[in-house]
Amino acid sequence: GAVVSQHPSRVICKSGTSVKIECRSLDFQATTMFWYRQFPKQSLMLMATSNEGSKATYEQGVEKDKFLINHASLTLSTLTVTSAHPEDSSFYICSCITAGGSDRQYFGPGTRLTVL
Amino acid sequence: GENVEQHPSTLSVQEGDSAVIKCTYSDSASNYFPWYKQELGKGPQLIIDIRSNVGEKKDQRIAVTLNKTAKHFSLHITETQPEDSAVYFCATALGTSYDKVIFGPGTSLSVIP
Repeated sequence: GAVVSQHPSRVICKSGTSVKIECRSLDFQATTMFWYRQFPKQSLMLMATSNEGSKATYEQGVEKDKFLINHASLTLSTLTVTSAHPEDSSFYICSCITAGGSDRQYFGPGTRLTVL
Repeated sequence: GENVEQHPSTLSVQEGDSAVIKCTYSDSASNYFPWYKQELGKGPQLIIDIRSNVGEKKDQRIAVTLNKTAKHFSLHITETQPEDSAVYFCATALGTSYDKVIFGPGTSLSVIP
């Protein structure tokens, strides 16, 4: 159980375009989802916490107008990288906490974004 | 805020030997300590976790120990196999519902056949 999917798994885009990444909890409801960014050979850095039906909470240094997060349902959160630039190229990973209260996070497989 | 350190950054062991990875943290309020395994190009996978009311937990070849007084916890993998090769991350959280997890910098483990 606790399967999390992400789509797409890879995306290549031109500089200045926007890219949307979806995170879905497949067999459970997720009240809270997290978005992480991971650069090569580095650890995961939390970008924002997303709660269903409310605005996301962004970590310090993360631009909320650049990384738009929408958590419209208990099984779907989206991250939109607006006006992407080469420095936004990274591995984006979401994680979910099951509804009902739990401290265990289940991670998606990640999305590799390359901005040319 | 919380600061999680992890050692070593890289570790090579012969197949069948044990591997130990150690982490320290700074926030005494942390109560939940998960360990994740990440294979190349994939998302992290939870392999074991421990909460502050427990000093040790074991699951087959994997064990975790926690010393809350000293603020350190360790991952032990016995009888290592080549498929154990991956990057391992320790992490901490307050342990309340919906709490964010703070990751350590990671350890790249190589198991040599």
